[in-house]
Amino acid sequence: GNSVTQMEGPVTLSEEAFLTINCTYTATGYPSLFWYVQYPGEGLQLLLKATKADDKGSNKGFEATYRKETTSFHLEKGSVQVSDSAVYFCALRGTGGFKTIFGAGTRLFVKA
Amino acid sequence: DVKVTQSSRYLVKRTGEKVFLECVQDMDHENMFWYRQDPGLGLRLIYFSYDVKMKEKGDIPEGYSVSREKKERFSLILESASTNQTSMYLCASIQKIGTGSYEQYFGPGTRLTVT
Repeated sequence: GNSVTQMEGPVTLSEEAFLTINCTYTATGYPSLFWYVQYPGEGLQLLLKATKADDKGSNKGFEATYRKETTSFHLEKGSVQVSDSAVYFCALRGTGGFKTIFGAGTRLFVKA
Repeated sequence: DVKVTQSSRYLVKRTGEKVFLECVQDMDHENMFWYRQDPGLGLRLIYFSYDVKMKEKGDIPEGYSVSREKKERFSLILESASTNQTSMYLCASIQKIGTGSYEQYFGPGTRLTVT
């Protein structure tokens, strides 16, 4: 079945550091891929998405590229801020379906 | 703005109690979901509903039931709460935005502690 694997956290960075959170997936067909963010005390919010191979999703300085050849969707940001401290979830949704499979989540701490 | 609300942010219940978690969405979405979130496990789907009175089991339905009497409301029921059901519970609804394309919206979560 479909699955998502993302790097374990927590990840601790200093402000303005470069961020990468790795995510790989297993799926049949052509799933849509997502990154969600959960700030402390809140539910999940969609951060970015990509629906086909080589698409790049981007939002708030975060980017991720849908790489079918490596089945990956790594999240990157060039310069993190303290306000980016949150839990990040990689997720996929199968072709034509509405059930979402989530990774385990990666907690990010950004120090001033 | 789409809004998904959950009846409680924090809840403490005793073992064996019947527990109701309520979720309401205001955008006429047909599909609604209940997940539980546990550290290191991400979100796991408990149940979902694709229409009023329609429901399907997710990946971990044991110990839970659901009710969808009205389109906007989806309730999760713990018939007899146990300590291993201590968790964060997230409700979500989903909106179709194109052919085979959906946007999912989450509530703020209910942190349930069973003692």
